[in-house]
Amino acid sequence: SAVISQKPSRDICQRGTSLTIQCQVDSQVTMMFWYRQQPGQSLTLIATANQGSEATYESGFVIDKFPISRPNLTFSTLTVSNMSPEDSSIYLCSVRVRGLKTQYFGPGTRLLVL
Amino acid sequence: TQLLEQSPQFLSIQEGENLTVYCNSSSVFSSLQWYRQEPGEGPVLLVTVVTGGEVKKLKRLTFQFGDARKDSSLHITAAQPGDTGLYLCAGEGGSYIPTFGRGTSLIVHP
Repeated sequence: SAVISQKPSRDICQRGTSLTIQCQVDSQVTMMFWYRQQPGQSLTLIATANQGSEATYESGFVIDKFPISRPNLTFSTLTVSNMSPEDSSIYLCSVRVRGLKTQYFGPGTRLLVL
Repeated sequence: TQLLEQSPQFLSIQEGENLTVYCNSSSVFSSLQWYRQEPGEGPVLLVTVVTGGEVKKLKRLTFQFGDARKDSSLHITAAQPGDTGLYLCAGEGGSYIPTFGRGTSLIVHP
């Protein structure tokens, strides 16, 4: 398995500002992902974080709005840019461990945009 | 695009009752995972099933993977308030990116 930490755990932000969320894993993983989860809803994949190259974004998500970095195998950041109230959500980091058919999730970052 | 239909969307039951959650698809999955997410937490992996017809038990939880690997079920026996949470199924096909069901929100009343 993998132990994943996220910072911050929650934040309240003003419209128009940006927030960077950090994800740290305790072991080297093959893939890292960022998801968004609306309250009481399932998970929507934002992008796959690629080490040393641009992230792969899903339909409906763009790099200008959600820039992602992954400088090494165990760390990634997601920035939510120019926030609006519609960005209020839970943002989850997820990893795939080498050799396992499973994804593990971090505890999430709860974002409220006023 | 693979779709995974999860039902029911909501369940509100009394302690001691049994329940079953279903995940169905027209696509074949190489593996399927079940997660539970408690309020304020990230999803926690409960089980991974990979073989058609496979049955796994985790205390009062029984997971089954369909023979054709297109569907799965989660059965909880004698539900307890601690079982309250959002249950998610996720199927993996040809890529490493799973398809998630919409989730089943379970509330078990004492």
